[in-house]
Amino acid sequence: NAGVMQNPRHLVRRRGQEARLRCSPMKGHSHVYWYRQLPEEGLKFMVYLQKENIIDESGMPKERFSAEFPKEGPSILRIQQVVRGDSAAYFCASSQASGKETQYFGPGTRLLVL
Amino acid sequence: GENVEQHPSTLSVQEGDSAVIKCTYSDSASNYFPWYKQELGKRPQLIIDIRSNVGEKKDQRIAVTLNKTAKHFSLHITETQPEDSAVYFCAASIGNNNDMRFGAGTRLTVKP
Repeated sequence: NAGVMQNPRHLVRRRGQEARLRCSPMKGHSHVYWYRQLPEEGLKFMVYLQKENIIDESGMPKERFSAEFPKEGPSILRIQQVVRGDSAAYFCASSQASGKETQYFGPGTRLLVL
Repeated sequence: GENVEQHPSTLSVQEGDSAVIKCTYSDSASNYFPWYKQELGKRPQLIIDIRSNVGEKKDQRIAVTLNKTAKHFSLHITETQPEDSAVYFCAASIGNNNDMRFGAGTRLTVKP
């Protein structure tokens, strides 16, 4: 009964490189959410996806950030041309179908941009 | 837009005392209110939740109360222990599609 999985757990990138963060939801969950957390701060909503659909991306920066949740495979959060300000912990959460909103979090990916 | 306000941002109590954290929300359609505990370097973990059809829910030393009219809900921890020290986040569902927004968090310190 694996929980939400994220990889990598730690990622180091140089400015200008691309970062790809992966999230596998809990078995039976079809909803995925991405959050960003800066040190000593709260969980900032980024994007909410269902399989092959973006439901709410109101928290995503307009440039360099994209997310997908394909029919097969994990959800991917992609950050192009990373900058130092992108350094943060990125948490993924998943939930079951509509009406069962409880979100369960993965262990997070800690991104460090040098 | 939808907003969840959480107070206080930090809270320090003596072991054995009670701790109360309060949140307000703006979306009148919100009907699900979970609370998460996040220990240092770890993932947020659900500790208790409440739906809008009840006013209070209790689980051992933890209780949550909800006032839908006033749009606020609170977390109560009684007989606090040092292991309760963590950051606590409230959250509220928004809209009709499983979306959620989180408060900014409360750092609780329980002094032995």
